[in-house]
Order: sequence, then C-alpha cells, then structure tokens
Amino acid sequence: AQSVTQPDIHITVSEGASLELRCNYSYGATPYLFWYVQSPGQGLQLLLKYFSGDTLVQGIKGFEAEFKRSQSSFNLRKPSVHWSDAAEYFCAVAATDSWGKLQFGAGTQVVVTP
Amino acid sequence: EAGVTQFPSHSVIEKGQTVTLRCDPISGHDNLYWYRRVMGKEIKFLLHFVKESKQDESGMPNNRFLAERTGGTYSTLKVQPAELEDSGVYFCASSRDRGSSYEQYFGPGTRLTVT
Repeated sequence: AQSVTQPDIHITVSEGASLELRCNYSYGATPYLFWYVQSPGQGLQLLLKYFSGDTLVQGIKGFEAEFKRSQSSFNLRKPSVHWSDAAEYFCAVAATDSWGKLQFGAGTQVVVTP
Repeated sequence: EAGVTQFPSHSVIEKGQTVTLRCDPISGHDNLYWYRRVMGKEIKFLLHFVKESKQDESGMPNNRFLAERTGGTYSTLKVQPAELEDSGVYFCASSRDRGSSYEQYFGPGTRLTVT
C-alpha cells in the first residue's frame, strides 16, 4: 500500500540550531514530493516541491530538501531556525498523473526554544 | 489576490444534526480540493472538482457527505447526519488549472466538533 511516513511526531530545537525533518514514502513509482507548513491559525503553505532533476531543492523561508531515491526519502532541512519556524510540517506525495491529489504524512510539530 | 477562505472557522454540532461547510477558492482557479484531518491522523483527500464537475471523489467516506460546487465557484460540503467520527479539521485547497494542479493553495480549515 502507498504510504508517507514522518517518524517524528514532535521535535524541539533551539533557536539558531539546525533542523532536519524526516520523510519516507512507499509508492509504486517515484511520485511528486512536497513539504507544507502550517502555522497556528493559518492554512497549509507550500515550502518546496520536487518533480524531477536536481535532487536538492530550495524552498521558501530558507528551507531545502533532498530527494534520495535509494532511500525513498525526502528530508527537509534548515541550517538555522528562527522562532517563527515553530509550526507543524507535513510531507506529501502525489502520483504524477493524479491531478494534484495529495497524500500526506501525519505531520511533525516543531517547537523552537530560546 | 485574496486567498482561499473557509466558513465557518469552527462549528460545534450534536450527533445527528446537519452541517454545511463552505469554501471560496482563489478567483479563477478551476481546481478545488477538499481534505480532512481527523484528530491525531494524517490529512486525507476527500474529493476534487474541476470547475463544477467532480473529477475524483474517491476519498469521500460515505453517503452522509455531499459536496457541490455551484457554477464552478464556491463549494459546499454537507454532512448529514453528522456522526462523532466526523469531527476534525476540513481543509479546502485550490489550484489554477491542470498544469498547475500541484500548486495548491490551502484555506485555514474549518474545525468541526460533533458531540
């Protein structure tokens, strides 16, 4: 069965420290890959996406993600977190012919401490 | 341009009652999606409209859920009668056309509580 796994439900990180959020997927063929962020009271916002090509993808707000086909992973990173990065982060995948039907992971809640 | 809006932001109803959620997509967006997040679970796809037509309703849980998109503009999602397991956050998203199906803009969600 197709699945998206975010192993970490909750992560606490100090402001200024680096952040890495894990995402693994199980799919018949390499899907399109996405990371979304939801801040309190807001809708989900697209951080970055991977369709093909360069496996290191740059996104908004200083985030990047790396696609590793051999590991079926698409991990999100940020070198130095800011207090405003406290939010819930969702990895999502979509089949390449799915008209945008997204399948989400369970989400990772990120808490930033001073 | 205005973003995707959803109304109400929060609804509390009793089991057996009816609730209607509304989504206004970004103007000019042909695609409209509904998703749902039940407490503690992942966000799940419910259905997808292209203009006024249902392109994919494979995620609709049962026939107590009815979605419409009048004139290809706003959409409503009616739950009748509501059950306890329908509680969760209902998200709406829109995208411009097929070529940008994956560029979805999400609304803030409607939190539905069924007691």
